[in-house]
Amino acid sequence: DADVTQTPRNRITKTGKRIMLECSQTKGHDRMYWYRQDPGLGLRLIYYSFDVKDINKGEISDGYSVSRQAQAKFSLSLESAIPNQTALYFCATSLGLAAVYEQFFGPGTRLTVL
Amino acid sequence: QKEVEQNSGPLSVPEGAIASLNCTYSDRGSQSFFWYRQYSGKSPELIMFIYSNGDKEDGRFTAQLNKASQYVSLLIRDSQPSDSATYLCAVNKRAGNMLTFGGGTRLMVKP
Repeated sequence: DADVTQTPRNRITKTGKRIMLECSQTKGHDRMYWYRQDPGLGLRLIYYSFDVKDINKGEISDGYSVSRQAQAKFSLSLESAIPNQTALYFCATSLGLAAVYEQFFGPGTRLTVL
Repeated sequence: QKEVEQNSGPLSVPEGAIASLNCTYSDRGSQSFFWYRQYSGKSPELIMFIYSNGDKEDGRFTAQLNKASQYVSLLIRDSQPSDSATYLCAVNKRAGNMLTFGGGTRLMVKP
């Protein structure tokens, strides 16, 4: 099955550490996204990429960076983690030319910063 | 004002009843509207989308859109305990293909 995978699924780290969350997809989609989810705040967009050479900031990009290593891979880095970055992180993909604009989500990474 | 607003709930309905979930949005030029279901600890999954004013039915689900009132709703008929989840409303604004999500409404269906 074509899928969106995220690694790790859970991570506990300490303040000041550098963390990388990885996302891979076998759907053949060109567009990839990183969101964070906090209780009651829905999904907030961190960064998005419409192709390998295209990287764009989302609503809440401060403190984060991304890398689109290939069409199928999109990584999110926290350069110096802080406790308020504790959240559930989702990667999503979509097909730019799709008739229905649907995003497909990975299983999520639960990140705790102590 | 948030761009996409939902009542956080929980909305509690008895099994077999109709659950009505509501969402308002601020950008009058928004073009398409999506309802995602998210079970606790899981990723969101698309239930329905709607582009045009009026109703769109899919099985037990009906999406309703009123662009003049900037309002979209999701009705779930014959609610089942398995429908208990958080329902996220998402809006595709006129510029680009980005989705803006509401905070979600938690639905509880009691047997």
